[in-house]
Amino acid sequence: GESVGLHLPTLSVQEGDNSIINCAYSNSASDYFIWYKQESGKGPQFIIDIRSNMDKRQGQRVTVLLNKTVKHLSLQIAATQPGDSAVYFCAENMWGGSGNTGKLIFGQGTTLQVKP
Amino acid sequence: EAQVTQNPRYLITVTGKKLTVTCSQNMNHEYMSWYRQDPGLGLRQIYYSMNVEVTDKGDVPEGYKVSRKEKRNFPLILESPSPNQTSLYFCASSPQGDTQYFGPGTRLTVL
Repeated sequence: GESVGLHLPTLSVQEGDNSIINCAYSNSASDYFIWYKQESGKGPQFIIDIRSNMDKRQGQRVTVLLNKTVKHLSLQIAATQPGDSAVYFCAENMWGGSGNTGKLIFGQGTTLQVKP
Repeated sequence: EAQVTQNPRYLITVTGKKLTVTCSQNMNHEYMSWYRQDPGLGLRQIYYSMNVEVTDKGDVPEGYKVSRKEKRNFPLILESPSPNQTSLYFCASSPQGDTQYFGPGTRLTVL
């Protein structure tokens, strides 16, 4: 069945270093991918998204890369800061023949720990 | 302020006692959805609604009901809650079902 998974449950990085969080997906028909950040006690917060007709998209300090050949998605955070400590989820928006199905499938999440 | 609100934020109840968790959004979004979040299982979609009077099952709809009588509200109903429905619940809304904006969450405990 469809699944969206993250490679590592926890990632620990030094403040100022770059972070790379990975995600693998299994549905080759998916059209749209999103990264969310969830801080303790809060709901997931949108970070950045990418459509399947792109392979890279940049935001402020974040970059998402999409490799459709191997069904792999990654989130890169430049100059990681203590405020980046959170759980990061990738999500896959399922599209069907008539467009957006409305279904969103989340990965398990990677906890990013930033060491001062 | 654009937001998704949920009530209550915390609820402890007993098995079999019907409950409703409300969700409201002020962004005029067409799409709304409910998720539950459990340790080790991530976020799983319960139900979603692409528009008023249109609802569809997500991945884990058993034991839940929803209604979408008006655009801004999307209540989640547990007719007969059971302990396995103890979880953290999130409501979300979206203009078209892609980028979703989440509420603060409702922590439900069923004894």
